[in-house]
Amino acid sequence: DQQVKQNSPSLSVQEGRISILNCDYTNSMFDYFLWYKKYPAEGPTFLISISSIKDKNEDGRFTVFLNKSAKHLSLHIVPSQPGDSAVYFCAASAPGTASKLTFGTGTRLQVTL
Amino acid sequence: EPEVTQTPSHQVTQMGQEVILRCVPISNHLYFYWYRQILGQKVEFLVSFYNNEISEKSEIFDDQFSVERPDGSNFTLKIRSTKLEDSAMYFCASTRYRGYNEQFFGPGTRLTVL
Repeated sequence: DQQVKQNSPSLSVQEGRISILNCDYTNSMFDYFLWYKKYPAEGPTFLISISSIKDKNEDGRFTVFLNKSAKHLSLHIVPSQPGDSAVYFCAASAPGTASKLTFGTGTRLQVTL
Repeated sequence: EPEVTQTPSHQVTQMGQEVILRCVPISNHLYFYWYRQILGQKVEFLVSFYNNEISEKSEIFDDQFSVERPDGSNFTLKIRSTKLEDSAMYFCASTRYRGYNEQFFGPGTRLTVL
């Protein structure tokens, strides 16, 4: 069951540059998308979300873009900081599903000095 | 800032034994969830719970699993007879509203079945 896919298992970015994390989905019923950040031995921490009626949502250094026709979303982090180094999960939910989240496999981001 | 808490942080058990994983969701939240993450794999939905009953469950959540909200604060996941493949991180999550709202996750319980 690969309804949400993150094709890049890892990404390395220099401090101060932009990090772009990508996510693709196959289920056209998904209408709400979230990004979570996870450190080892901790639970996922919510970062930012977007509903399907929008194509962009911004919160500080984090911006999520949604392309519904391509079933693709991306998370931009600008500027990247060493503390951003973590695993990033894309997640999605569909209406009428008690808001269960379907997660991608995650992308490990390393921000280097 | 309110947070979801989980106990224990690590549970080791023998195959066939029962385990109970405990969670205290954020106090004014109404919807509760369990997820699990097998090492190296993605986070998977197990069950959602609202108004003292299961709203939805995945194929993973078979008869060996049960959930309960025994009082106004705790939310538990019981595995009746553990199997080796139940070894995973188990995350509890909660949210106040259904729909377009983020779920808040606890730190997880690492379950090791020997």
